[in-house]
Amino acid sequence: TQLLEQSPQFLSIQEGENLTVYCNSSSVFSSLQWYRQEPGEGPVLLVTVVTGGEVKKLKRLTFQFGDARKDSSLHITAAQPGDTGLYLCAGGVQGGKLIFGQGTELSVKP
Amino acid sequence: DTEVTQTPKHLVMGMTNKKSLKCEQHMGHRAMYWYKQKAKKPPELMFVYSYEKLSINESVPSRFSPECPNSSLLNLHLHALQPEDSALYLCASSRPGLARQDTQYFGPGTRLTVL
Repeated sequence: TQLLEQSPQFLSIQEGENLTVYCNSSSVFSSLQWYRQEPGEGPVLLVTVVTGGEVKKLKRLTFQFGDARKDSSLHITAAQPGDTGLYLCAGGVQGGKLIFGQGTELSVKP
Repeated sequence: DTEVTQTPKHLVMGMTNKKSLKCEQHMGHRAMYWYKQKAKKPPELMFVYSYEKLSINESVPSRFSPECPNSSLLNLHLHALQPEDSALYLCASSRPGLARQDTQYFGPGTRLTVL
């Protein structure tokens, strides 16, 4: 069974701080997606990474895919209250299924 | 355009009611999914349709019945649900067959409450 371990599960920080969320697995994934979700809404895609070692930037967010395609990280620089939400990593496997991490609840206080 | 739409936004039903959830996408995607999500947990896969055919049923109880009338529409028919079925139901779509591009796009969800 393929698993994605996401950490930390909860993160409460002040506006302006930096943070990193990690997703780790012993399995290889063909792709890895990061989503952000607000309460009562569907997950919104932030990025898809497919190549080992890939780094993608989205404004203050930096995403990395590990060389072996078994792990990924999301780094947020100078967090803002609007970054508050549930962050989910999800690995693509055979048959189009996604394996989700447990999620990281981020709270950014003004 | 990466939009998946879902109706209704909210649904309250009794345990003897029959209702349906609807999902629509116009991105030309040929894979569509139903997920169930409890508060602050990741989505749990229920069903996968590929080219309008059911390809995955994750041992979902028969009180949930999916239907894919065409490549743009996905329905979830609900009957005799239990209070523990209350959750956010999410629809997603993707392009199947491209192993390195498994990106799924989610709809806004239907908040279901079973009384």
